[in-house]
Amino acid sequence: QVQLQESGPGLVKPSGALSLTCAVSGGSISSSNWWSWVRQPPGKGLEWIGEIYHRGSTHYHPSLKSRVTISIDKSKNQFSLKLSSVTAADTAMYYCVREGDYGDYGKAFDIWGQGTMVTVFS
Amino acid sequence: QSMLTQPPSASGTPGQRVTISCSGSSSNIGSTTVNWYQQLPGTAPKLLIYSNNQRPSGVPDRFSGSKSGTSASLAISGLQSEDEADYFCAAWDDSLKYWVFGGGTKLSVL
Repeated sequence: QVQLQESGPGLVKPSGALSLTCAVSGGSISSSNWWSWVRQPPGKGLEWIGEIYHRGSTHYHPSLKSRVTISIDKSKNQFSLKLSSVTAADTAMYYCVREGDYGDYGKAFDIWGQGTMVTVFS
Repeated sequence: QSMLTQPPSASGTPGQRVTISCSGSSSNIGSTTVNWYQQLPGTAPKLLIYSNNQRPSGVPDRFSGSKSGTSASLAISGLQSEDEADYFCAAWDDSLKYWVFGGGTKLSVL
């Protein structure tokens, strides 16, 4: 059973960079899945940040594209998020997520990490 | 870019049937499939419906989904108190190449 676990600093200073890592256990990050980051500000809805495939291909949310980098480390079976120039608006619960491939039925976020809260404070 | 449109709230009494709508555009719902997620208080979201109307293993058949044109719906029949949660729809935007979520619907079981 694949499990995901986020890790990283819970506090980041404004204008600094947010860096999180997602460890994948119970399966290989080199499987035919995309791996995503999704965030949720307190009391608000979900926002997709971006995704990566094990071969290195990425897609990013258009409004975050200039500040986001998602990378993958196959040797450690993990993937990472870096968000630069953070502001209070980036305060949120950050989830790492696996996109299950359902073939002709498309893809869906089928496995979620428990989430890690990141607060941007001055 | 914009979110998919969902009603902010919905409610029903135990045993009732409720539906939650999700409206998008030709570049997302109109050209791809819709997924639904359930988020119980204080927990991570859980996949509830994929590909418009498919239930993952373990999801009760009280939950069903449908899609028509640029809109989709989630229906919950035989409403139970444990269904009280936030529900989100999501679809891939094939034009801008990104996943777009609905704003979420808070379901209350009265």
